[in-house]
Amino acid sequence: GQNIDQPTEMTATEGAIVQINCTYQTSGFNGLFWYQQHAGEAPTFLSYNVLDGLEEKGRFSSFLSRSKGYSYLLLKELQMKDSASYLCAVRDQGTYKYIFGTGTRLKVLA
Amino acid sequence: DTGVSQNPRHKITKRGQNVTFRCDPISEHNRLYWYRQTLGQGPEFLTYFQNEAQLEKSRLLSDRFSAERPKGSFSTLEIQRTEQGDSAMYLCASSLEVGVGNTEAFFGQGTRLTVV
Repeated sequence: GQNIDQPTEMTATEGAIVQINCTYQTSGFNGLFWYQQHAGEAPTFLSYNVLDGLEEKGRFSSFLSRSKGYSYLLLKELQMKDSASYLCAVRDQGTYKYIFGTGTRLKVLA
Repeated sequence: DTGVSQNPRHKITKRGQNVTFRCDPISEHNRLYWYRQTLGQGPEFLTYFQNEAQLEKSRLLSDRFSAERPKGSFSTLEIQRTEQGDSAMYLCASSLEVGVGNTEAFFGQGTRLTVV
């Protein structure tokens, strides 16, 4: 079976750092993806991890531990425009389809 | 190329009617996915194509749903005899699969279906 868990909502202050966690249990694994989705818009790609460790892209970093079935997305120097839903997705090994979590709705306050 | 394009953006239909949505993927992408998303939830997998072949269809998808990708380019998703529970955002995504490596999916803006 496949199960992906994320917190439903988080709140943080402009300029702060926030960490969004994702745990997964899947029958096969071929990479973990993070997407950002603003209300009423399409998900947009943020980051990808297939090996353990940290991937950094500007203000955004993503970490993966395959043995623990765990990832996090780290957002630094938060801006108001970062208010959005953040979707964790696992790509299934073999089929390569993407399985999404329910998403974490982040509110950035002034 | 302007990315993944979906039409229409919004569709309101009466219960029992049939609806068809279209997705035009990024031109060189060989993989095409359909997802459904309801408010406060993540995208739920429906089906996907490798070129023109439909490789998997979710068990959650009833027989009222059908998808095609006749020439390995655009795709259509048809829902027959719509029900109020079909109301959702229908998202299309495409990717280029050339073996192992980072191949993120690019999403279209979606078609928002409301069944009244």
